[in-house]
Amino acid sequence: DGGITQSPKYLFRKEGQNVTLSCEQNLNHDAMYWYRQDPGQGLRLIYYSQIVNDFQKGDIAEGYSVSREKKESFPLTVTSAQKNPTAFYLCASTDQGRLNTEAFFGQGTRLTVV
Amino acid sequence: GENVEQHPSTLSVQEGDSAVIKCTYSDSASNYFPWYKQELGKGPQLIIDIRSNVGEKKDQRIAVTLNKTAKHFSLHITETQPEDSAVYFCAALYSGGYQKVTFGTGTKLQVIP
Repeated sequence: DGGITQSPKYLFRKEGQNVTLSCEQNLNHDAMYWYRQDPGQGLRLIYYSQIVNDFQKGDIAEGYSVSREKKESFPLTVTSAQKNPTAFYLCASTDQGRLNTEAFFGQGTRLTVV
Repeated sequence: GENVEQHPSTLSVQEGDSAVIKCTYSDSASNYFPWYKQELGKGPQLIIDIRSNVGEKKDQRIAVTLNKTAKHFSLHITETQPEDSAVYFCAALYSGGYQKVTFGTGTKLQVIP
């Protein structure tokens, strides 16, 4: 079955540590996105990529980094510069160029700073 | 770029009543308007969508209306059930191109049994 997979589901980070969240899709989608969701809040765009080897900052990119070396993979690194990283992180992908550009979401990674 | 506003942020209804969530968008080029439902601890999933050449679309208890002139669209849920309780997001984009999808801020719907 085609879909988008995030791992791990739960992640704990110590203060000052970098951590990387994985996002893989087998939908052959060009565009991929990372969102942060705080309790009771909406989706805030961190980074997005519309094509391999290219990505753009979203609204809250500070303290995060990404790479897009392969079409199917878009990992997000939460660096020590992100002062309040505890949140629910969602990865999504879309098939740009289609008539109905549905976004497919992963099941999310809940990151907690300990 | 596109800007999507969504109201209300929270909504409580009695089971069996209707719920309406409204969104406005800014970019007149947007032509595709999906709605997503997010259950607790999960990723959002598409529940219904509408394209700009259609004014209304219905799928069982869920309907979406679009007013292109006023640049707003709405989600209507009739005969609400407890399992409809979730967070709902609207979105707007120009499909067929290479524009990123823009989401509304979400509405937390609570259906009271």
